[in-house]
Amino acid sequence: DAMVIQNPRYQVTQFGKPVTLSCSQTLNHNVMYWYQQKSSQAPKLLFHYYDKDFNNEADTPDNFQSRRPNTSFCFLDIRSPGLGDAAMYLCATSRQGWGTEAFFGQGTRLTVV
Amino acid sequence: KQEVTQIPAALSVPEGENLVLNCSFTDSAIYNLQWFRQDPGKGLTSLLLIQSSQREQTSGRLNASLDKSSGRSTLYIAASQPGDSATYLCAVQKAGKSTFGDGTTLTVKP
Repeated sequence: DAMVIQNPRYQVTQFGKPVTLSCSQTLNHNVMYWYQQKSSQAPKLLFHYYDKDFNNEADTPDNFQSRRPNTSFCFLDIRSPGLGDAAMYLCATSRQGWGTEAFFGQGTRLTVV
Repeated sequence: KQEVTQIPAALSVPEGENLVLNCSFTDSAIYNLQWFRQDPGKGLTSLLLIQSSQREQTSGRLNASLDKSSGRSTLYIAASQPGDSATYLCAVQKAGKSTFGDGTTLTVKP
């Protein structure tokens, strides 16, 4: 059974139109992450939550926001998607963050038209 | 800033061959190193996790080693199969964040 679930698997949005990607987990892990992965590149960490504490990476554009309303769910909001934001977005969880295994969802492929 | 390098970027082998994928990292002060598999258009599947105090981990035909002092890890795949074809990524974790390499794309030919 899937433990980290991302919806939708594929998302098409218009240039400049806000879009939200969702992630849920059944592992009851403390930490949830959002990564952006462009073609043939390494996943790049955007931000992560340790419980309710939000940690933004220094080079994450302001266009990207996140919400974690409870332990199970985390959302990635892109306020004004540009063509350069087309990518695979990966959600991951880990129990404590450091020294513990990370589990990834299947990703959401975002296309911007 | 941690940098993770994976060599080679792509590898093609005939079925049945044993192979080694390499991962190197610049900052040896890591908590753990994790190897993942990624199929085209899919998410990441965890293969092996090596804690910083460990030297190796094994799962089936896979064996991962870690030499933290030299900043290196290898993933050994025994008796490769066409189903092993995928991109393999390594990631080092420190302070709750993982830094990934760009991956090695493996093709195993029948």
